[in-house]
Amino acid sequence: EIVLTQSPGTLSVSPGERATLSCRASQSFSSRYLAWYQQKPGQAPRLLIYGASSRATGIPDRFSGSGSGTDFTLTISRLEPEDFAVYYCQQYASSPGFTFGPGTKVDIK
Amino acid sequence: EVQLVQSGAEVKKPGESLRISCKGSGYSFTNYWISWVRQMPGKGLEWMGRIDPSDSYTNYSPSFQGHVSISADRSSSTAYLQWSSLKASDTAMYYCARHNLVVVADDSWGQGTLVTVSS
Repeated sequence: EIVLTQSPGTLSVSPGERATLSCRASQSFSSRYLAWYQQKPGQAPRLLIYGASSRATGIPDRFSGSGSGTDFTLTISRLEPEDFAVYYCQQYASSPGFTFGPGTKVDIK
Repeated sequence: EVQLVQSGAEVKKPGESLRISCKGSGYSFTNYWISWVRQMPGKGLEWMGRIDPSDSYTNYSPSFQGHVSISADRSSSTAYLQWSSLKASDTAMYYCARHNLVVVADDSWGQGTLVTVSS
């Protein structure tokens, strides 16, 4: 089973600043199988990024993803008030367990 | 518009059985898998398993194998998550999601079903 580790656990950022979130995997896999999700309190998760770097429909271009192998990054270039949320990475490379990372909470500094 | 609509909140006792549902609309139900995801109170997301509604083939996370059952009814475009004997530790929010095989991600999610198991 592929284990995903996300860092930091909590990121305190001011609106307008840049946020960089990390997702590391216990073994290498194709970037095609890495997705990022955003979850706000009381809401279902929402797909942000698929294939490590492709934005999902309707996602603003301030969100970008990068990485390969075992190291992946989600960057939010200029934080808007609605971006304060928990972000999860998920891998689809290792069946049967399509594991999530533990999440990074982005809160207001 | 793609929608996944889940059944309402449930309150059950330990040992009881339960089936919750997830109805898809606005797309061809058999062209996408359905995933189920657990979120325990105040915790992160856990992938439980998935079903291919075209043939009812299922995969389960080892953590959930044998404790839950996933099924689907193509005629009603509905997927199900079922327990035969609930435990207090099954108290959680459960989400279904549409798994898009082209982008390899869950691109549409249900609103969630809260299951509370308490004596």
